[in-house]
Amino acid sequence: QITLKESGPTLVKPTQTLTLTCTFSGFSLTTSGVGVGWIRQPPGKALEWLALIYWDDDKLYSPSLKNRLTITKDTSKNQVVLTMTNMDPVDTATYYCAHTRIGFDPWGQGTLVTVSS
Amino acid sequence: DIQMTQSPSSVSASVGDRVTITCRASQAISNWLVWYQQKPGKAPKLLIYSASTLQSGVPSRFSGSGSGTDFTLTITSLQPEDFATYYCQQAHSFPYTFGQGTKLEIK
Repeated sequence: QITLKESGPTLVKPTQTLTLTCTFSGFSLTTSGVGVGWIRQPPGKALEWLALIYWDDDKLYSPSLKNRLTITKDTSKNQVVLTMTNMDPVDTATYYCAHTRIGFDPWGQGTLVTVSS
Repeated sequence: DIQMTQSPSSVSASVGDRVTITCRASQAISNWLVWYQQKPGKAPKLLIYSASTLQSGVPSRFSGSGSGTDFTLTITSLQPEDFATYYCQQAHSFPYTFGQGTKLEIK
């Protein structure tokens, strides 16, 4: 059974850097074809794909956020970390991580991050 | 970026009804199309991938079709647990993009 769980701060101030950790079990990020992605959802709005890291360390980013995002993996800890710099109130959203081969499945429960001074 | 447009944005239906949701891509994506269901306060759940392949464990009343730019999600004989928001996502090329969602409400 694959499970993922996001962790990190619930409140960050504008201009700060957000660091989110996705801790997973039930699969290995060394298995060919496997990836972990990050997706966010502002309150009441649609889903937005942010970044994805594959088993071979290939990293992909949303072009609109590429300058602010970094995704890394620690296969020994079964973790994927997403950092987002220069946070702004418009970045307030629930942030999800998800396992992917074809499509995102399953997803973590999500973590709500509020950006406010 | 490939834009994904869903219609309608919301739909009201009754238990037992048949509902169809449409997703249109701004350019051809072959069958690289995924459908998700999201209930309030919950993470999305993958229903269908490769446009028409039902994910394991998903009831057979859900079906998907289409290729190229036009896709549909059909739910036959709606059940109370089907009232949710549905999203399509293209997995053809990066950046991956989602539709704006279709909210399925009880009439």
